[in-house]
Amino acid sequence: ETGVTQSPTHLIKTRGQQVTLRCSSQSGHNTVSWYQQALGQGPQFIFQYYREEENGRGNFPPRFSGLQFPNYSSELNVNALELDDSALYLCASSTYGTDKNIQYFGAGTRLSVL
Amino acid sequence: GEDVEQSLFLSVREGDSSVINCTYTDSSSTYLYWYKQEPGAGLQLLTYIFSNMDMKQDQRLTVLLNKKDKHLSLRIADTQTGDSAIYFCAEILMDSNYQLIWGAGTKLIIKP
Repeated sequence: ETGVTQSPTHLIKTRGQQVTLRCSSQSGHNTVSWYQQALGQGPQFIFQYYREEENGRGNFPPRFSGLQFPNYSSELNVNALELDDSALYLCASSTYGTDKNIQYFGAGTRLSVL
Repeated sequence: GEDVEQSLFLSVREGDSSVINCTYTDSSSTYLYWYKQEPGAGLQLLTYIFSNMDMKQDQRLTVLLNKKDKHLSLRIADTQTGDSAIYFCAEILMDSNYQLIWGAGTKLIIKP
């Protein structure tokens, strides 16, 4: 158990809808990173939040947005869902700037877009 | 650009050693990681190695790093059925907010 929790575990949406995924970081961690993992592929970095601000972004469109709260928990929001957004969404917490920067992952949210 | 490559499948007999290989491209990576993912689960950190090390051993796991060739391997001794999973290697981009770049994963299949 990493202490990183994600909700919900599964979600089914239709094309064009909006979705919010949630992540509680491990105690003592101040940074949350979000990844998208399509079936049969490795995770792709979406963005990272540190001190409640976006602190780096991968190659994802602006309809992917996020928030980080003062307790370091985080949300991932996706607007105008597309079929290709179907994936496992993983959140990882860490402590920014430490030399090892080990990221601890939650179990993920499986999003299906119909 | 950054890229991490792994072969997609590895099949070994129970009790044998498994060697999972990975190549990466960013020579500035300071840490490289191995994660394990079981079906329907998130990613579990197995081990990591600092770039100035050649080898790291942790119980049944041995990580070898050839920095010149940008080649990383994970050896699992005495492979058990519980080792069946997908294994991912990842490198960290220190110049890009510590973003992790991942391989596509190697599915380890254990034959009885």
